[in-house]
Amino acid sequence: AQKITQTQPGMFVQEKEAVTLDCTYDTSDQSYGLFWYKQPSSGEMIFLIYQGSYDEQNATEGRYSLNFQKARKSANLVISASQLGDSAMYFCAMREDGGFKTIFGAGTRLFVKA
Amino acid sequence: SAVISQKPSRDICQRGTSLTIQCQVDSQVTMMFWYRQQPGQSLTLIATANQGSEATYESGFVIDKFPISRPNLTFSTLTVSNMSPEDSSIYLCSVDYRNYGYTFGSGTRLTVV
Repeated sequence: AQKITQTQPGMFVQEKEAVTLDCTYDTSDQSYGLFWYKQPSSGEMIFLIYQGSYDEQNATEGRYSLNFQKARKSANLVISASQLGDSAMYFCAMREDGGFKTIFGAGTRLFVKA
Repeated sequence: SAVISQKPSRDICQRGTSLTIQCQVDSQVTMMFWYRQQPGQSLTLIATANQGSEATYESGFVIDKFPISRPNLTFSTLTVSNMSPEDSSIYLCSVDYRNYGYTFGSGTRLTVV
């Protein structure tokens, strides 16, 4: 069965510094996708970045990068040069390519300090 | 990706009543997904809605409590029936764009009193 684990309920980071949000996953499938979403206090869910299980390069999208370590089954999100607007909940998610269901981790609340 | 209009954005309802949440997508999509996010929790899939067939419900969710309609490829509704305070959550509809992730509606914040 699929499982996503985010072990950091909350994280603090100083503005302009980088921060890593941890995510580990479990699946028996060889082909799957990993996602990160941001949820500000307004409640909307915003897609940030995607990593395919067969992608050899780590995904990057602007200030977001995904540190993908397949053997360790980890897909950590790195946010560089944190901004106050990055304060939000962040969810790691996974979908097996043969299926339609995406499962979400428990989330990490990030606080960016000025 | 599409734009999804979801309404109402929030509501306060009496226990025992029902609320219908609507999602309108600006393009045709095969599948729509309904999620629940209880206070301080992650997202849990309620059901998958295909046009022209009954929705597929996840374990712990039943059609009598969460009836779903999908009359065409751009629209879906979720009804929360016979509500209790435990149904107080954010309800989100979404469309899957595979490698581009989900696009979500703006969510419905439901409070049952």
